[in-house]
Amino acid sequence: KAGVTQTPRYLIKTRGQQVTLSCSPISGHRSVSWYQQTPGQGLQFLFEYFSETQRNKGNFPGRFSGRQFSNSRSEMNVSTLELGDSALYLCASSSPGETNEKLFFGSGTQLSVL
Amino acid sequence: GQNIDQPTEMTATEGAIVQINCTYQTSGFNGLFWYQQHAGEAPTFLSYNVLDGLEEKGRFSSFLSRSKGYSYLLLKELQMKDSASYLCAVRDHGWTGFQKLVFGTGTRLLVSP
Repeated sequence: KAGVTQTPRYLIKTRGQQVTLSCSPISGHRSVSWYQQTPGQGLQFLFEYFSETQRNKGNFPGRFSGRQFSNSRSEMNVSTLELGDSALYLCASSSPGETNEKLFFGSGTQLSVL
Repeated sequence: GQNIDQPTEMTATEGAIVQINCTYQTSGFNGLFWYQQHAGEAPTFLSYNVLDGLEEKGRFSSFLSRSKGYSYLLLKELQMKDSASYLCAVRDHGWTGFQKLVFGTGTRLLVSP
């Protein structure tokens, strides 16, 4: 079974630009969560999608958005990039309903904003 | 809201035992997870506790006390490859009623020869 796949692996953007990151979950997983990871803050929850619906959202500005498609693949978008958006963006998939439902993470997209 | 605390860094010697503590405050606790993350890699699942007590899995064990809001991860017979960050995460009911994992900032463990 293939793991969680995130593309691209690395991105370099400049302030003011926008970016779209992609995540393909493990086959059969319908929940996709996104996290931002920075050295000082650790993993910060962005949002979670299940069956194309956003079920949970973290405390991030509206510049951060996402969506999920009918095949469970997900994208997140960051508009009007700021220097502080430089981080590792991790996607994780899970299968809700399992007793010890756990997240399976992709390798992440390392975003650098110059 | 949620608050999860764990030490920033720990060092230990190969072959030794190390205990990484995690304390948490959350409104809708529904399980605690430990993940391991090597530099530049994805976090990988280590353990899960939802009831009080000790869960053992090979060289790794995890303990939970819900009344104290406390957990620890115990690593025995340390190996060099155990040098990594260890993330404590609490499954919490968000304001929407749906669950999410809230992570601590992680503990960076350095194992020396």
